Amino acid sequence: EVQLLESGGGLVQPGGSLRLSCAASGFTFDNYAMSWVRQAPGKGLEWVSTISGSGATTYYADSVRGRFTFSRDNSKNTLSLQMNTLRAEDTAVYYCAKHYRHNWYFDLWGRGTLVTVSS
Amino acid sequence: EIVLTQSPATLSLSPGERATLSCRASQSVSSYVAWYQQKPGQAPRLLIYDASNRATGIPARFSGSGSGTEFTLTISSLEPEDFAVYYCQYRSTRPSVTFGQGTRLEIK
Repeated sequence: EVQLLESGGGLVQPGGSLRLSCAASGFTFDNYAMSWVRQAPGKGLEWVSTISGSGATTYYADSVRGRFTFSRDNSKNTLSLQMNTLRAEDTAVYYCAKHYRHNWYFDLWGRGTLVTVSS
Repeated sequence: EIVLTQSPATLSLSPGERATLSCRASQSVSSYVAWYQQKPGQAPRLLIYDASNRATGIPARFSGSGSGTEFTLTISSLEPEDFAVYYCQYRSTRPSVTFGQGTRLEIK
């Protein structure tokens, strides 16, 4: 079955760290760029970061650059998002998403994992 | 930075009616626009890419049009399952990704 499954969300204090994971299955993982997209409670979608199929290239939104690190392990079909120096405004559901072909559209999404930054 | 503005914010229609959702870009984005549907508690689903191409498995009642700065998602005859929030999306040359703020399609 073609799917993405996120994990690692939870409650963390401001200034703290959290590591999200996404397990992929059902497709040739290293053929596709992957992204994280987040959604604050009751709000719209916000792109967070993208990684190339090889993992050699990453891109970040200005709001997370320098604090978040996106990596992938193509031998295990997994993604990781290391989030440091977390802020209240990072509170959101985080989705991992597969790119469609070589475009920057997202044709497969996980169910998401909730990150709450609060004291 | 290109901004995508969706209108209306909320659209109230009845099943069987035609829905027209708009997405306006602050400058030309050629045809590099996608549309997504999101239902409560679910992840978004890709409906349309490159402004007018339906994604795999998307019913023919969904269609997209436009280029440059004006884009439209049309649902020809609303089914009960179509009531949801819709987002447009663009990939900029930076590169980064921009989403519109969404249009909520609700049952009248």
